[in-house]
Amino acid sequence: AQSVAQPEDQVNVAEGNPLTVKCTYSVSGNPYLFWYVQYPNRGLQFLLKYITGDNLVKGSYGFEAEFNKSQTSFHLKKPSALVSDSALYFCAVRDAGYALNFGKGTSLLVTP
Amino acid sequence: DGGITQSPKYLFRKEGQNVTLSCEQNLNHDAMYWYRQDPGQGLRLIYYSQIVNDFQKGDIAEGYSVSREKKESFPLTVTSAQKNPTAFYLCASSGQGNEQYFGPGTRLTVT
Repeated sequence: AQSVAQPEDQVNVAEGNPLTVKCTYSVSGNPYLFWYVQYPNRGLQFLLKYITGDNLVKGSYGFEAEFNKSQTSFHLKKPSALVSDSALYFCAVRDAGYALNFGKGTSLLVTP
Repeated sequence: DGGITQSPKYLFRKEGQNVTLSCEQNLNHDAMYWYRQDPGQGLRLIYYSQIVNDFQKGDIAEGYSVSREKKESFPLTVTSAQKNPTAFYLCASSGQGNEQYFGPGTRLTVT
């Protein structure tokens, strides 16, 4: 089965600094990769996806992600973090039945 | 959360009772999904449906049942056979673009 791993339970960054939330994947074939964000007691919001094409994918709210085939990674990045970016972030990969397999999530805390 | 509604937002039930969670979408999506979220475990797939009148079990289907009689609706029943039903339940749908769009969730507490 296709799977992703998020090695960090929590990431702390100061406002204005760049942020990275890590994700590695394990798939057979070409991966369909996604990032989602979740605010407390809310559903997940789609940020961006990689299907094919450019390795740098731009998404919502100034986020981007870099697909790296050799390192099997799909890290989420933002050049300048905002306090309002504090949330739970999930990486996901599409499985054979078109459902998504999610990582366990990374809690991002941006401090003023 | 736009386009997908889940109700109610909070649900309380006694142990041994079946309970049905509602999920409706107006995005004209063919596929719909139910996930369960527990702290520190991410989301786990319960059931999914790619077309009306058809659905498949996900990773943790035991103790749950679904129906898909209309394209817009995909209700989830948590039965008394589910050993640990207290959780946050999320419904999603997807169209041609592969990404899934999620509802606001239902927090179920069983005592």
